[in-house]
Amino acid sequence: AQSVTQLDSQVPVFEEAPVELRCNYSSSVSVYLFWYVQYPNQGLQLLLKYLSGSTLVESINGFEAEFNKSQTSFHLRKPSVHISDTAEYFCAVSVGYNKLIFGAGTRLAVHP
Amino acid sequence: SQTIHQWPATLVQPVGSPLSLECTVEGTSNPNLYWYRQAAGRGLQLLFYSVGIGQISSEVPQNLSASRPQDRQFILSSKKLLLSDSGFYLCAWSQGTSGGYTFGSGTRLTVV
Repeated sequence: AQSVTQLDSQVPVFEEAPVELRCNYSSSVSVYLFWYVQYPNQGLQLLLKYLSGSTLVESINGFEAEFNKSQTSFHLRKPSVHISDTAEYFCAVSVGYNKLIFGAGTRLAVHP
Repeated sequence: SQTIHQWPATLVQPVGSPLSLECTVEGTSNPNLYWYRQAAGRGLQLLFYSVGIGQISSEVPQNLSASRPQDRQFILSSKKLLLSDSGFYLCAWSQGTSGGYTFGSGTRLTVV
């Protein structure tokens, strides 16, 4: 059965520092991978996704994630974070045609 | 363009009272529809999903039920709320999993 593990529940970081949010998944078949962001009291927004092709995918606000099949990982990175990046981030993996499984989330706190 | 509407945004209900949360999608047809619950400090729990009118799959046994009376309408209900039903409820839609999910803005339910 597929599963998603986000290795850090909270990540504190100073503004303009780099950050990596870790995500590992388990699956015996090819999967689609996603990162979502959730700001307080809001729904989740799709940040980026990997379907096929290039293993490095980027979002419009400077985040990137790299699909590593051998390590079954899809870590999210940003070289320089802003205060406005403070939010909760969820990694997700597709399960068949109709469902996604989400990790428990990582709360990113950016400090001035 | 597709939009998803979820209401109300917040709700405070006494224990034992009924519940009805509504979610509608515009700009698409035959979407897959989902209800998730997010409890404080925990990840996303899939409650129900539907691939068509009248077709409901329940993921976990609970005090809640779901219905899909129309193609783009998804309703979450309870006959008698429990304290443990408190949480942040999210509706989402998709057309297969390659595009990921699009989430509504959520309903904060507090059972008192």
